[in-house]
Amino acid sequence: KAGVTQTPRYLIKTRGQQVTLSCSPISGHRSVSWYQQTPGQGLQFLFEYFSETQRNKGNFPGRFSGRQFSNSRSEMNVSTLELGDSALYLCASSLGPASTGELFFGEGSRLTVL
Amino acid sequence: AQTVTQSQPEMSVQEAETVTLSCTYDTSESDYYLFWYKQPPSRQMILVIRQEAYKQQNATENRFSVNFQKAAKSFSLKISDSQLGDAAMYFCAYRSPYNNNDMRFGAGTRLTVKP
Repeated sequence: KAGVTQTPRYLIKTRGQQVTLSCSPISGHRSVSWYQQTPGQGLQFLFEYFSETQRNKGNFPGRFSGRQFSNSRSEMNVSTLELGDSALYLCASSLGPASTGELFFGEGSRLTVL
Repeated sequence: AQTVTQSQPEMSVQEAETVTLSCTYDTSESDYYLFWYKQPPSRQMILVIRQEAYKQQNATENRFSVNFQKAAKSFSLKISDSQLGDAAMYFCAYRSPYNNNDMRFGAGTRLTVKP
């Protein structure tokens, strides 16, 4: 069974640009969550999608957005990039939002903003 | 809001020895889930062990076990017979059953295993 797949693995952008990251969950998983990981702030919850609907959102500005497609794949977008957006962005999938199971994480997308 | 605290930024252990990683959390909820995740240098987070708050028995997974003290809001991880492959960042995490997948993570403990 394939794991959570995130693309691209690495990318470099400049301030003011926008970026789109993609996440394919484990087959059968319908819930996708996004986390930002930085050395200073650690792991912070961005948002969660289930059945193409955002169910929960963390404390991030509106420049951070996402969506989920009918096949459960998800994308997150960051507009008007700032230096502080440099981070590892992790996607995690689970069977559903109310499941009691674990979250399965991808390897992440390493974003560097210059 | 729930918070998770890992007070040990770094720990080291000799191969084949035992090490305990500490985690405390703050919550007003009575029902929740606790996890220990491992993040090796390759970065993919993998689940080590999980504990449901309503279960009194401490979870065990092979060489990994937890000491769950609900009243003290403590959730420590014990790694027995440490192996070189155990070297990684370890994150303690809290998940509310009411807040979907907004999992709260501690700052992490970097574990080094010495041969």
